Amino acid sequence: NAGVTQTPKFQVLKTGQSMTLQCAQDMNHEYMSWYRQDPGMGLRLIHYSVGAGITDQGEVPNGYNVSRSTTEDFPLRLLSAAPSQTSVYFCASSYRTEGSPLHFGNGTRLTVT
Amino acid sequence: TQLLEQSPQFLSIQEGENLTVYCNSSSVFSSLQWYRQEPGEGPVLLVTVVTGGEVKKLKRLTFQFGDARKDSSLHITAAQPGDTGLYLCAAAFAGGTSYGKLTFGQGTILTVHP
Repeated sequence: NAGVTQTPKFQVLKTGQSMTLQCAQDMNHEYMSWYRQDPGMGLRLIHYSVGAGITDQGEVPNGYNVSRSTTEDFPLRLLSAAPSQTSVYFCASSYRTEGSPLHFGNGTRLTVT
Repeated sequence: TQLLEQSPQFLSIQEGENLTVYCNSSSVFSSLQWYRQEPGEGPVLLVTVVTGGEVKKLKRLTFQFGDARKDSSLHITAAQPGDTGLYLCAAAFAGGTSYGKLTFGQGTILTVHP
């Protein structure tokens, strides 16, 4: 099984550009989420989805959009990139049960200049 | 926003030493997970603890969940260079929709020198 697949692995953007980070999972997980990881701050939740057609905001949603048209895919869109969005982004998925572990992709390292 | 305090932020030790990482909050957890992350990869689950007072062992790693379910610890016995990595605690707080919507601690970067 591929698990959670994120693309691209690296990306450099100029301020104001937009892009989409892709995330796909093949485990039939209902729950998917996006985190950003910055030094000394752990992982912070951006947006999450409990199923196709349902999304909600996490702790740091500003500047990001998501949609969930299928169970498998959960893309993250940066509308107008800012240097503060330089980070490593992780997509994760899990079953919708108490204590279910998150399965993470290998991340996308984004630099905004 | 419920906070999860993890300490220490950095640990640099010699092979064979023991160490403990702590994870604390002022709020009650419904469950707590520990993850390990290596460079260039996503975090991977080590263990989930759910019951207050619970102790779980994974080879040389011992995980404890506080009786009040507000704290947890990870103890490594006789650390080895292969234990080097970033350790993260993640909590689902009681009263919320806990599945998947985890709050992470800041992480502990562990370096074990041969």
